[in-house]
Amino acid sequence: DAKTTQPPSMDCAEGRAANLPCNHSTISGNEYVYWYRQIHSQGPQYIIHGLKNNETNEMASLIITEDRKSSTLILPHATLRDTAVYYCTYPPSGNTPLVFGKGTRLSVIA
Amino acid sequence: KAGVTQTPRYLIKTRGQQVTLSCSPISGHRSVSWYQQTPGQGLQFLFEYFSETQRNKGNFPGRFSGRQFSNSRSEMNVSTLELGDSALYLCASSKAGQAYEQYFGPGTRLTVT
Repeated sequence: DAKTTQPPSMDCAEGRAANLPCNHSTISGNEYVYWYRQIHSQGPQYIIHGLKNNETNEMASLIITEDRKSSTLILPHATLRDTAVYYCTYPPSGNTPLVFGKGTRLSVIA
Repeated sequence: KAGVTQTPRYLIKTRGQQVTLSCSPISGHRSVSWYQQTPGQGLQFLFEYFSETQRNKGNFPGRFSGRQFSNSRSEMNVSTLELGDSALYLCASSKAGQAYEQYFGPGTRLTVT
């Protein structure tokens, strides 16, 4: 199974940047890293994915280290609605399904 | 564009009964995956269908089954329900060639008594 390590919880002040780290030291060279989040009582929501270059979309930015062993999801101006569990994952190998760990519970505080 | 829809949203069943859950993917999405989410085990993959064929299967007993129709809609069935089957069942759809960019529905909350 794909192994990722994320801190169990983090706090962030509203309006500040939230930086969520993920370690994926066993990722191979052609596997993308995917980030999802799950707001309480809702289904998970796709955020962003990347291979080696930094990526940005309307929701977040993804910074992947040059050795690809870790990444950071950045929410530039966190709001209360960003309070959720954030999952970092990658497909273990070939055409296999994503494995979701326990993720990071982000609490955005007013 | 309409999102993934799941019916019913809530369901209460008795041990030993069977249940069928339905998922309608986003228009144009041909892949449908099913997940079970419980507080203890987290989000666990059940199976994935693409063009009416099961492409992947998770580590669940044979009581859990699914199918996909020609219009990409999918159903999953759980027979002989057990108390431990109480969970949120989530369906996700994705486009062909973008299997891991999944769009989830709101889920069906199943309670087995």
